[in-house]
Amino acid sequence: GEQVEQRPPHLSVREGDSAVITCTYTDPNSYYFFWYKQEPGASLQLLMKVFSSTEINEGQGFTVLLNKKDKRLSLNLTAAHPGDSAAYFCAVRGPNTNKVVFGTGTRLQVLP
Amino acid sequence: GPKVLQIPSHQIIDMGQMVTLNCDPVSNHLYFYWYKQILGQQMEFLVNFYNGKVMEKSKLFKDQFSVERPDGSYFTLKIQPTALEDSAVYFCASSSGTISYEQYFGPGTRLTVL
Repeated sequence: GEQVEQRPPHLSVREGDSAVITCTYTDPNSYYFFWYKQEPGASLQLLMKVFSSTEINEGQGFTVLLNKKDKRLSLNLTAAHPGDSAAYFCAVRGPNTNKVVFGTGTRLQVLP
Repeated sequence: GPKVLQIPSHQIIDMGQMVTLNCDPVSNHLYFYWYKQILGQQMEFLVNFYNGKVMEKSKLFKDQFSVERPDGSYFTLKIQPTALEDSAVYFCASSSGTISYEQYFGPGTRLTVL
């Protein structure tokens, strides 16, 4: 079945720096991709939903890149601020299933 | 945004007892999910429920697990009997549709089995 690897597990950056989190997946038929943010003690908050047909997706303060050839999904926070400190999870879903496979998570700390 | 609620936030029980975790999904959502997250590990899919039936389940969804949503009330996960390895945070999620629709997650219930 689908396997999702997420790197790095921990990331510490200074305010204003960029932060990049990457997930690689194994199933070439995976079609829907998600990035979630989880603050301590809180629910997972959806940051972005990406379809297989779109390689570059821009949100507020971040960019999500999908490289289907390499089966790699990345989240790039362009200018991190302390409010971005949280755990981030990628999630991958195939075309004919409701099952979502999550990455192992990245704990991001943005220092002032 | 839409909110999923989970009750209780923490539950401590003795091994062998039964436990029921409750989820109040987003009001117009039709698809419901449970995930399990052991501390420091990734979140893992347990089960997907729609129209009164289990649609998909993973190998983590043991025979001791069951789900239901009686009369449109709480979506529940029951574990009977519990085992030590059931200690984890259990997240409920719901979505309005399937496949392309995002899932909205609750804050989780931390279950500790002693």
